[in-house]
Amino acid sequence: GAVVSQHPSRVICKSGTSVKIECRSLDFQATTMFWYRQFPKKSLMLMATSNEGSKATYEQGVEKDKFLINHASLTLSTLTVTSAHPEDSSFYICSARTGLAGFQYFGPGTRLTVT
Amino acid sequence: AQSVTQLDSQVPVFEEAPVELRCNYSSSVSVYLFWYVQYPNQGLQLLLKYLSGSTLVKGINGFEAEFNKSQTSFHLRKPSVHISDTAEYFCAVSERNTGFQKLVFGTGTRLLVSP
Repeated sequence: GAVVSQHPSRVICKSGTSVKIECRSLDFQATTMFWYRQFPKKSLMLMATSNEGSKATYEQGVEKDKFLINHASLTLSTLTVTSAHPEDSSFYICSARTGLAGFQYFGPGTRLTVT
Repeated sequence: AQSVTQLDSQVPVFEEAPVELRCNYSSSVSVYLFWYVQYPNQGLQLLLKYLSGSTLVKGINGFEAEFNKSQTSFHLRKPSVHISDTAEYFCAVSERNTGFQKLVFGTGTRLLVSP
């Protein structure tokens, strides 16, 4: 089946620094990748949708300058949390989709803790 | 705009008992429906999906769900649960008017299976 990886699985950083999270589709080409944020005991909230080679589309209320998304290839998307603050601490999950009617395959998530 | 309601935040059940996790959605257009399972500190794994055709959908790990258009429901069932089924379960929907691109998730139901 389709496998999506994320790296790192956990990261702790100091307030004010930037953190990059990678999302890779390992055995398929992902035309679209999605980034979600999940708060404790809460559902997944879509942050942005990215298509390879074009700018990401951000959901309402998500700061595009704070959460930089790059989808440079059909197998890699990155999310950079810039100038991280403790309130950015969360579980970030990416998903990848192939084709217009393809399903979303989810990565294992990245736990970000900002101290 | 679509929304997904999972009324039960937590469902406790004894091992080998049957279980039903409820999901209702609101949408005025064609939808795809999904159930995902999330184990602690992991990403989401697709349990099953409804796209079209038979309203009874069978998934992995012995789960099944039935699409009821008139009641706008997609309840998840398993006739006999195991301890290992303890996890968070999310119902999700995507709509035709978004090209079935975006997934909207319910708030999740925590299934707690005890011996």
